[in-house]
Amino acid sequence: DVKVTQSSRYLVKRTGEKVFLECVQDMDHENMFWYRQDPGLGLRLIYFSYDVKMKEKGDIPEGYSVSREKKERFSLILESASTNQTSMYLCASSFPTQGANVLTFGAGSRLTVL
Amino acid sequence: AQSVTQPDIHITVSEGASLELRCNYSYGATPYLFWYVQSPGQGLQLLLKYFSGDTLVQGIKGFEAEFKRSQSSFNLRKPSVHWSDAAEYFCAVGASDDYKLSFGAGTTVTVRA
Repeated sequence: DVKVTQSSRYLVKRTGEKVFLECVQDMDHENMFWYRQDPGLGLRLIYFSYDVKMKEKGDIPEGYSVSREKKERFSLILESASTNQTSMYLCASSFPTQGANVLTFGAGSRLTVL
Repeated sequence: AQSVTQPDIHITVSEGASLELRCNYSYGATPYLFWYVQSPGQGLQLLLKYFSGDTLVQGIKGFEAEFKRSQSSFNLRKPSVHWSDAAEYFCAVGASDDYKLSFGAGTTVTVRA
């Protein structure tokens, strides 16, 4: 089975800090994603990457950046954390199957910004 | 762009009773449809998916879903709910020319004894 590992399950940071969320997948998937999950809003796509060093903005990229230097690793960066970025962050990876992307998710990283 | 609506925010069901979760999508062409489940404190797990063919799809944990093009729906069902089915359920839609999935807001299922 594909495994997607998010390095931190729980983080507490202060406003203005730079925050790194790391995600690693072990099945050579081409596509990787960062979603944000908030109650009543479901999952919203922040950024995704379809190849090393390639990235595209999702629906809510403001305040975030990403890095994909190696195929298996996709990092989400909060340059200056703010309280409205307190949320659950979910990483996913995928490989096209029959033309569709079937996403496999990590366990999530719950970030609290004080 | 595709979108998903899950009309029910929260559903409570008795153990052993049947469960149906609603999902309506908006997309011009034939969509790829998914149901994911999230147990408390966990990531999302794929329950089932529909790409084409038979409109009744079987998934894991005894779940099934039916694609109805005329109603733009992809409702999830389980004949007899177990206490371990208490979780949040997400419907998602994708397209063949797009890497992304669009998710609904989710439905929380509570199972009472």
